[in-house]
Amino acid sequence: ETGVTQSPTHLIKTRGQQVTLRCSSQSGHNTVSWYQQALGQGPQFIFQYYREEENGRGNFPPRFSGLQFPNYSSELNVNALELDDSALYLCASSPRGGTGELFFGEGSRLTVL
Amino acid sequence: AQSVTQLDSQVPVFEEAPVELRCNYSSSVSVYLFWYVQYPNQGLQLLLKYLSGSTLVESINGFEAEFNKSQTSFHLRKPSVHISDTAEYFCAVSGMNTGFQKLVFGTGTRLLVSP
Repeated sequence: ETGVTQSPTHLIKTRGQQVTLRCSSQSGHNTVSWYQQALGQGPQFIFQYYREEENGRGNFPPRFSGLQFPNYSSELNVNALELDDSALYLCASSPRGGTGELFFGEGSRLTVL
Repeated sequence: AQSVTQLDSQVPVFEEAPVELRCNYSSSVSVYLFWYVQYPNQGLQLLLKYLSGSTLVESINGFEAEFNKSQTSFHLRKPSVHISDTAEYFCAVSGMNTGFQKLVFGTGTRLLVSP
C-alpha cells in the first residue's frame, strides 16, 4: 500500500512568485487536506478537498488555492508569495467518513526569499 | 471554534523515566481528540485518538492519554520512555460538527530523551 507522497520535497522561491505543490493520496482515500506548518508551530488547516471540490477552508487568503483530480491526487497553489509563506506544507488523506486518522505525507518545505 | 494549548514547548527526561505531556483544549461543541508524533524530517503520524467511549486510550507503543471533559484536558503519558521516543508531539482537536479533517493543532512539545 503506497502512502501519501508529496513533491517537491524542498524548493526556494522569491517574493511575488507562484508555486504549485503536489500530493498523491493513499490508495483508497478520497479526501485530501492541506496544512501549513511554520517553523516551531503546529500545523494549520488550509483547506480540504472531496470529490474534486473544496469542502472546508481555514483562515487563509484566496491566493491559496487548490485542486483535486479524479484520481484523488491534489495540488496546492500559492500566488504572490510572501516571506511569511515560508513553511512546511503537509498533505493528508483519509477515506470519507473514516476512523479519525489522517495520513500525512512528509511535506514540501518552501522557502521564500 | 476550537483551540489547543500545549504549555510545555520542551520536556527533557532520562531514559526509563515516566513522562507526561500536557494538553488543554477549548471548544463550544463536543470534540474528537488526537495526539500526533513527528520525527525529524518526517510527516505526522497518529499516536492515539479519542472519539467516544472509554476516556482512557492507549497506543501500541506504551503511550496513553485520558480525556477529562471537566478539565478540558487530554494529557499524554508514558510510564517508561525510550531514546527512540525523542520527537515532537502535537495534540489536536476537531469539532464533532466539522468532522475529522479539520484538525486544530497545538504548538507542539519536543520530548528529549537522554541516556
